[in-house]
Amino acid sequence: DQQVKQNSPSLSVQEGRISILNCDYTNSMFDYFLWYKKYPAEGPTFLISISSIKDKNEDGRFTVFLNKSAKHLSLHIVPSQPGDSAVYFCAASDTGTASKLTFGTGTRLQVTL
Amino acid sequence: DAGITQSPRHKVTETGTPVTLRCHQTENHRYMYWYRQDPGHGLRLIHYSYGVKDTDKGEVSDGYSVSRSKTEDFLLTLESATSSQTSVYFCAISENGRRQYFGPGTRLTVT
Repeated sequence: DQQVKQNSPSLSVQEGRISILNCDYTNSMFDYFLWYKKYPAEGPTFLISISSIKDKNEDGRFTVFLNKSAKHLSLHIVPSQPGDSAVYFCAASDTGTASKLTFGTGTRLQVTL
Repeated sequence: DAGITQSPRHKVTETGTPVTLRCHQTENHRYMYWYRQDPGHGLRLIHYSYGVKDTDKGEVSDGYSVSRSKTEDFLLTLESATSSQTSVYFCAISENGRRQYFGPGTRLTVT
């Protein structure tokens, strides 16, 4: 039972354009969401997070949007750069099982020149 | 970057042998985690610890055990390795259980 879903295994975007990565969840108890970025042969690195009391959080080129009614979050990268090419994982947790994250299966982003 | 190291970074072992992976942190964080990453599955939680000697099972704990005798070290043991445990293993730490920071990973191959 996949509680966090990333339905697009891959995405290709031109440099300078916007990248939009999507994530859906089914557990209505989730109240904290994160995005991680992973390069080959490295561990995932934290990118940005959002609490369920907000619907948007911004950090430089990265913005995460949360639509609680649709149980959907998205990560926007503007402008996309070649160094953004990586696998992106969304993750979620709830206060009841605080300290445990549930991850999606990842989306591979390729930013082309 | 959070101070997390994993050892070994690569290991090849035979079916049926015991294997222990080590995670070491220098951040004094309360929570430590072991995940495995497999194609099509993302990251799945094996076991986690919320304090010294306090551990709990994750989503895919069968065939694995853990120990945490001091804050900085979290060991993952495969009692009798099987080919289905071939994977990349990541350790993570967290101060408050929300934002987790990951180690560089251990690539384990069971032949």
